[in-house]
Amino acid sequence: AQSVTQLDSHVSVSEGTPVLLRCNYSSSYSPSLFWYVQHPNKGLQLLLKYTSAATLVKGINGFEAEFKKSETSFHLTKPSAHMSDAAEYFCVVSVSGSTLGRLYFGRGTQLTVWP
Amino acid sequence: GAGVSQTPSNKVTEKGKYVELRCDPISGHTALYWYRQSLGQGPEFLIYFQGTGAADDSGLPNDRFFAVRPEGSVSTLKIQRTERGDSAVYLCASSLSPGGRYEQYFGPGTRLTVT
Repeated sequence: AQSVTQLDSHVSVSEGTPVLLRCNYSSSYSPSLFWYVQHPNKGLQLLLKYTSAATLVKGINGFEAEFKKSETSFHLTKPSAHMSDAAEYFCVVSVSGSTLGRLYFGRGTQLTVWP
Repeated sequence: GAGVSQTPSNKVTEKGKYVELRCDPISGHTALYWYRQSLGQGPEFLIYFQGTGAADDSGLPNDRFFAVRPEGSVSTLKIQRTERGDSAVYLCASSLSPGGRYEQYFGPGTRLTVT
């Protein structure tokens, strides 16, 4: 079975400080892992993905995530938060070798950025 | 190019009524997915189409829910005898190729409210 746990429902940071959004996953098979962002009244947008290549994955807007198999984690980081980063973030797992492609979402982390 | 579009953006209906939600995927994308996002939750998988056929409908909650994709492009999600618990945002996504390794592109969603 596949599942995702996002360890924080809300994270607040000041502009210019680092961002850490935590995610642990469970997968019976080799996983593909994704982070999606959802701005208010906008569709989900892919930030980055891990599909069994490099364990440190760089995404858009300065975000990156590291796949740690031993810890079953895929935490999202950014060195310096910007006001425009305020949004809901979802950690997502799927089965890498599956032909079906069903995504399993975490419950989301709401990121607030203070000026 | 054009992204995934969904219509209507908002739908209010009375309990017991029938509704149809439409999804226009990105041109050329053979894989199409429906998800449902309840308030405060991450999206949950409903059904996956590869071409015209439903390859995985294991996420449909009951037989009141049905989806079609007759020509392998546009899809319609149909809900009979709506209940208040069906109120949610219904998301559609498409992918160039099926499988867990590939990015899914999401539409803005249809917000369904059952009164």
